[in-house]
Amino acid sequence: AQSVTQLGSHVSVSEGALVLLRCNYSSSVPPYLFWYVQYPNQGLQLLLKYTTGATLVKGINGFEAEFKKSETSFHLTKPSAHMSDAAEYFCAVRSNFGNEKLTFGTGTRLTIIP
Amino acid sequence: SQTIHQWPATLVQPVGSPLSLECTVEGTSNPNLYWYRQAAGRGLQLLFYSVGIGQISSEVPQNLSASRPQDRQFILSSKKLLLSDSGFYLCAWNSAEGYTFGSGTRLTVV
Repeated sequence: AQSVTQLGSHVSVSEGALVLLRCNYSSSVPPYLFWYVQYPNQGLQLLLKYTTGATLVKGINGFEAEFKKSETSFHLTKPSAHMSDAAEYFCAVRSNFGNEKLTFGTGTRLTIIP
Repeated sequence: SQTIHQWPATLVQPVGSPLSLECTVEGTSNPNLYWYRQAAGRGLQLLFYSVGIGQISSEVPQNLSASRPQDRQFILSSKKLLLSDSGFYLCAWNSAEGYTFGSGTRLTVV
């Protein structure tokens, strides 16, 4: 079984400040990890993913995440927030075999303060 | 190119009415297909997935059903909608880049 915990359903940061969205996972097998972004009334867009190899993953829009196996974490960061980053962000985990189902966290709504 | 289409974008239906939401994928064959529901404050819940024509797996007991009549078509249905069926429904397929999602259907049951 696998699960994802996103700490903080709402996060507010000032424009230009560091963005940190937390994600911890539980998986009995080596996981694949994902971050998705959702703008209002739209589908989900892939930000970045970790499968194997380098543990620091860079994605679109200046976001990056680091896979830390010892901490079972995959936190999402961006050095400087933009107003356009305001959205909901979902962390997800998938097993690397089998039916490849994605299990999502409950999401974090990011608000950018001008 | 590979694309996923989902319709309608919004739907308002009375309690007890039927439902049919359609999802189609282009540019790939034999995809794994998924239906998720997103309820306010509850994240995304996997409802059904399909690994091939006629093969449907249900993740949670509910008032909905799914069918896959063709390789690239995935349909979500209900015979009688409940108020609790309201939500944002997302179709997805498992592409090489990860899951690719449709643009979603906002269903409001009144």
